[in-house]
Amino acid sequence: AQTVTQSQPEMSVQEAETVTLSCTYDTSENNYYLFWYKQPPSRQMILVIRQEAYKQQNATENRFSVNFQKAAKSFSLKISDSQLGDTAMYFCAFIAFSGGGADGLTFGKGTHLIIQP
Amino acid sequence: KAGVTQTPRYLIKTRGQQVTLSCSPISGHRSVSWYQQTPGQGLQFLFEYFSETQRNKGNFPGRFSGRQFSNSRSEMNVSTLELGDSALYLCASSLGGLTNEKLFFGSGTQLSVL
Repeated sequence: AQTVTQSQPEMSVQEAETVTLSCTYDTSENNYYLFWYKQPPSRQMILVIRQEAYKQQNATENRFSVNFQKAAKSFSLKISDSQLGDTAMYFCAFIAFSGGGADGLTFGKGTHLIIQP
Repeated sequence: KAGVTQTPRYLIKTRGQQVTLSCSPISGHRSVSWYQQTPGQGLQFLFEYFSETQRNKGNFPGRFSGRQFSNSRSEMNVSTLELGDSALYLCASSLGGLTNEKLFFGSGTQLSVL
């Protein structure tokens, strides 16, 4: 079975600090993509960053970067210079592809990140 | 470019009724997938449609069904509603090529079953 585990239900940091959200996953597939999504109170799921499993280089998007450790099946998200607008639920997810296609995104339970002024 | 549009935003139904939710993908996207989000179970994959065909399906009962039209718009139907079907239903669209995938989500339909 494919699973995603986010071990931090809630985190709180001060504005401008750096914060790292943890994620581990389990899959037997070799072809997969990993994602971090942000869900603010508006409920819309917003793509923060994406990593292709076959790429060794860690993905970065402005203040957001990942630490992808394929052997350890770990995919953490680092947010630098955190801002009040970063307050949201963050979901780690992956999608794996096999000969029969993809079974949709598998999500973790989420981490509620609170940025304090 | 317009994003993924889901209608309606809110729905209130009673047990035993049926409901239809709509999702219009980003222009040019051919894949639409549906997810159910509840506080207890989190986000769960329902099914995915690509070029009017259901390509993949999650572990949900047959009361949950969907379809996709030639313009890629998709509908999801839930029959014989149960209290446990109360949830936020999200749809996501993508190009659908199964490689280089980026999924974009709508704002969801909040369904309450009384």
